[in-house]
Amino acid sequence: LAKTTQPISMDSYEGQEVNITCSHNNIATNDYITWYQQFPSQGPRFIIQGYKTKVTNEVASLFIPADRKSSTLSLPRVSLSDTAVYYCLVGEGNYGGSQGNLIFGKGTKLSVKP
Amino acid sequence: KAGVTQTPRYLIKTRGQQVTLSCSPISGHRSVSWYQQTPGQGLQFLFEYFSETQRNKGNFPGRFSGRQFSNSRSEMNVSTLELGDSALYLCASSQTGTGYADGYTFGSGTRLTVV
Repeated sequence: LAKTTQPISMDSYEGQEVNITCSHNNIATNDYITWYQQFPSQGPRFIIQGYKTKVTNEVASLFIPADRKSSTLSLPRVSLSDTAVYYCLVGEGNYGGSQGNLIFGKGTKLSVKP
Repeated sequence: KAGVTQTPRYLIKTRGQQVTLSCSPISGHRSVSWYQQTPGQGLQFLFEYFSETQRNKGNFPGRFSGRQFSNSRSEMNVSTLELGDSALYLCASSQTGTGYADGYTFGSGTRLTVV
């Protein structure tokens, strides 16, 4: 499984756009990129997932360059409630490998200030 | 629809005792995974069950065990509790267990404190 590297922490203000970049130099052909959000004393929550180019949902956007060695989670107009830890995960999809074993790194602790 | 339900929410046990935690996945989900989260080690994978079979196991001692029932509900058991077992235990479910492609849904966890 590809190792991921993210900033340990980031600060932002309400209303700003936040971009969290994750590096995954050893990503494999079969690997998907998935982001989770976690609030204190709660389980991680699936935010978004992508394989290449750009994916957007009602919560965030995920930008993946052509070489797929990095990805950027974009949170538009953050609010105080977006203060959480964000995890970038890289692993295989529907190809029969690594079932169930999500590898979480340290994540990025995002603090949104008023 | 109902999410992943973990019981109990909080638990205090004494060293040397054993404990059983329960997880009810989302209806229709056949894969259940367990994770341990501590401030020092972060989120660590314990094991994964799919259709009542353990399919994957993390690097934890044999004191940690689990099982899955025919209705996909899962339990994990920790025997001979140690102080270091104090943690938030999280359960996650997915339809097929290929969570990297379709995402996992986590429960709120069971906070275990060993004294």
